[in-house]
Amino acid sequence: EAGVVQSPRYKIIEKKQPVAFWCNPISGHNTLYWYRQNLGQGPELLIRYENEEAVDDSQLPKDRFSAERLKGVDSTLKIQPAELGDSAVYLCASSRDGQNEKLFFGSGTQLSVL
Amino acid sequence: AQSVAQPEDQVNVAEGNPLTVKCTYSVSGNPYLFWYVQYPNRGLQFLLKYITGDNLVKGSYGFEAEFNKSQTSFHLKKPSALVSDSALYFCAVRDRGGNNRKLIWGLGTSLAVNP
Repeated sequence: EAGVVQSPRYKIIEKKQPVAFWCNPISGHNTLYWYRQNLGQGPELLIRYENEEAVDDSQLPKDRFSAERLKGVDSTLKIQPAELGDSAVYLCASSRDGQNEKLFFGSGTQLSVL
Repeated sequence: AQSVAQPEDQVNVAEGNPLTVKCTYSVSGNPYLFWYVQYPNRGLQFLLKYITGDNLVKGSYGFEAEFNKSQTSFHLKKPSALVSDSALYFCAVRDRGGNNRKLIWGLGTSLAVNP
């Protein structure tokens, strides 16, 4: 079984530039999560999808962040424009139904904003 | 408010010795409790979870954790540490009641196992 696939693995951009991250969850997993992890911190939930519906986006900074999960499978997370403080690792995770919270994580995208 | 505390930023143990990584929590109701591990330059991996039943939960790679309701703790343990266990360990909790299904994560504990 393939795991959660994220791309790119690394991204370096200048501030005010846009950036997008892509995630392909495990096949059959209905719930998809985007987390942000700063160095020395635990993951911080940005958004959670149940199929194609965003059911929790309370922590997503909506002035510059957006996400979509068309067709309830792959998902993209976008930042426009990026700020220096957005430098972090962006993690995607999926689970079968979001009930027992056994999450499967991708390797993450490490974003550096210069 | 829900919270998780991992009181130790770093734990150092010698290979072959038992290890404990501590976690305490605060939730309004009964908790779901989880441990995840993060190896360098890799995503988090599920280790084990407590949902209900036996307070001693066994997980991957020989790890186990004990749910202690009176002390609101869920410490991670392993009888004999390996160098390859060196990683970052995260405890997470969710209140099983209501519609709030958000996992609350600890800040992580860095485990170093010395040969």
